[in-house]
Order: sequence, then C-alpha cells, then structure tokens
Amino acid sequence: AQKITQTQPGMFVQEKEAVTLDCTYDTSDPSYGLFWYKQPSSGEMIFLIYQGSYDQQNATEGRYSLNFQKARKSANLVISASQLGDSAMYFCAMREGPNTGTASKLTFGTGTRLQVTL
Amino acid sequence: AAGVIQSPRHLIKEKRETATLKCYPIPRHDTVYWYQQGPGQDPQFLISFYEKMQSDKGSIPDRFSAQQFSDYHSELNMSSLELGDSALYFCASSSTRTGSSGNTIYFGEGSWLTVV
Repeated sequence: AQKITQTQPGMFVQEKEAVTLDCTYDTSDPSYGLFWYKQPSSGEMIFLIYQGSYDQQNATEGRYSLNFQKARKSANLVISASQLGDSAMYFCAMREGPNTGTASKLTFGTGTRLQVTL
Repeated sequence: AAGVIQSPRHLIKEKRETATLKCYPIPRHDTVYWYQQGPGQDPQFLISFYEKMQSDKGSIPDRFSAQQFSDYHSELNMSSLELGDSALYFCASSSTRTGSSGNTIYFGEGSWLTVV
C-alpha cells in the first residue's frame, strides 16, 4: 500500500496568492514524522517543514505552514503569498518511528509540480 | 551552515563501466542515506548507514555497494552500469542525537549520472 499519497500531479497559483498542496499518509506506527521538500528544476532537494505525530500545534516556517489533521491522516502544505521562485516540485515524505535514537528512512510521495504565474 | 557535499555533480559513463559517488555529511551527523531518483520519479531509498554500520537497505541492486568510512564520509559504488541506472543520486544525512525537527534529513545537491 502506498504510504504517502499526493493526488495533485500539478497545480497553478497566481503570484501573491496562497496555495495548498495535499498529502495523505498511511502508517500504523504511533510515532512518525512528516516532511515537505522542494525540488526546483536544478534538482536539489530542499527541506521546508516538519511535523511530528505528537506535535500539538501545526508547524510553521515563514511562508510555509503544515495543516496537520491526524485523524484524517493528512499533512497538507500551505504556501502563503506565492512567489515566482516557488515554482518547483514539492514532495511530501514520512519517517516512521520515534524522533530520536532512530535512523529510519524517508518514504516519499510522487510529488506535486507547482507553477506560479503572474 | 555546512551542508551535505556530494561529488561529482555530473558524470557520464558507458554501459558496463563502474562509477563511484562520494558524500560528505553535515558535521556531527551520524546517519547517511543514499537515494536514487529516476527521471520524473520520486526518490527511492537505496541504503543507509548509522555510525558507519549499514542500518537499512532498500531497493539497491546487487551491482551497487556502499560504505561509510571512519571520517563519516560515504561512497556509493556502482558496477556493470546499465542504461536504467541513469538518474539523480542523492546523499542525505541526519543526526539521531537532536530532538528538534524530528532529526530532519538534509539532502545534498545530488549527483547526475548518465549512462550511455
């Protein structure tokens, strides 16, 4: 079964608008972490934001926020005030297991390609 | 701040040749991961090392091997290269000792391998 599902292959958003990228996950582990990465056309994988399964509040990092709905197993990324430089592929990923003392791998979704338009 | 350093950034090899990718993790990170990303695909986990010992293995072909050295740098060795090995190879690192940000895994810029 797919552990991370991103149902939007592509999204368009106008500059200065907000956009939500969807991510749902599947795990039976009570401890897990959810990550979002940005991959521009140049190829590098840039960490954006993290949400732990036990975190009470939604994570925020500048213009990025994570809408974490644990019961629905969703971890949507919200980008506010979109900029042209936000055009990229965005990957949702999950790490299963506790936050410390573990070296478990990330499992990625298939990604959403975001295009910011003028 | 220091990031994950990968070399070479680009390499072109012929079929059946051998390639070696190098990775220098972020200082004081104790875990290294290797991922392979084919064209238009999401990254696929290959192998990881914790404190220089192999800790997990994914879909790594038998033709590939990896190790982590005493200075924590890691190398991915790929032999008998096939056209299908053409991909972007990422090294990533994290620390199991930190508690914030869930021991975030930071990626290098990747090594583009083209097999012709």
